[in-house]
Amino acid sequence: AQSVAQPEDQVNVAEGNPLTVKCTYSVSGNPYLFWYVQYPNRGLQFLLKYITGDNLVKGSYGFEAEFNKSQTSFHLKKPSALVSDSALYFCAVSPRSGNTGKLIFGQGTTLQVKP
Amino acid sequence: DAGVTQSPTHLIKTRGQQVTLRCSPKSGHDTVSWYQQALGQGPQFIFQYYEEEERQRGNFPDRFSGHQFPNYSSELNVNALLLGDSALYLCASSFGRGPNTEAFFGQGTRLTVV
Repeated sequence: AQSVAQPEDQVNVAEGNPLTVKCTYSVSGNPYLFWYVQYPNRGLQFLLKYITGDNLVKGSYGFEAEFNKSQTSFHLKKPSALVSDSALYFCAVSPRSGNTGKLIFGQGTTLQVKP
Repeated sequence: DAGVTQSPTHLIKTRGQQVTLRCSPKSGHDTVSWYQQALGQGPQFIFQYYEEEERQRGNFPDRFSGHQFPNYSSELNVNALLLGDSALYLCASSFGRGPNTEAFFGQGTRLTVV
């Protein structure tokens, strides 16, 4: 079965420190990889995606993500966290074969950045 | 430019009833997908509409049906509501289809079944 795992329900970091939100996936065939963020009472907002090429993808608001094919991981990173980064983060994968746009989401990781 | 808009924002229904949720895609987008997000879970894909036809479907029963209109807006219908249908229903739109297409999400409709 195709699945996405975000092993941490919550990640706590201090403002100014680097952050990492982990994601691993079990989807065959080199899927496309996405990160979305969800703020309270708002829909999901696109952060970044990996299609091909460089394993380090840069996205919105200073976020980046590192793709590791051998570990089937796509961890979200930011060099210096802001309090305003506090939100719910979702990793998602999109299978390449026979898929017209379905996203498979992880369960989400709450990021709490403290001043 | 308005993004993806959904209505209503909140809804309370009784078990066994039917509900219709509505979505207007972002301007210029022609593809609409629906997701169900249960409390504490990630969104789950229900189905996708393109050119007024259902193009892809997730693992949801036939009680869940939809429609897309010529102006690309869409409806999600759920019949014979169950308590377990209580969730946030998200609409996502995109320009065209494809596995690497960026989807834009609405704020969602919070459905509570009592």
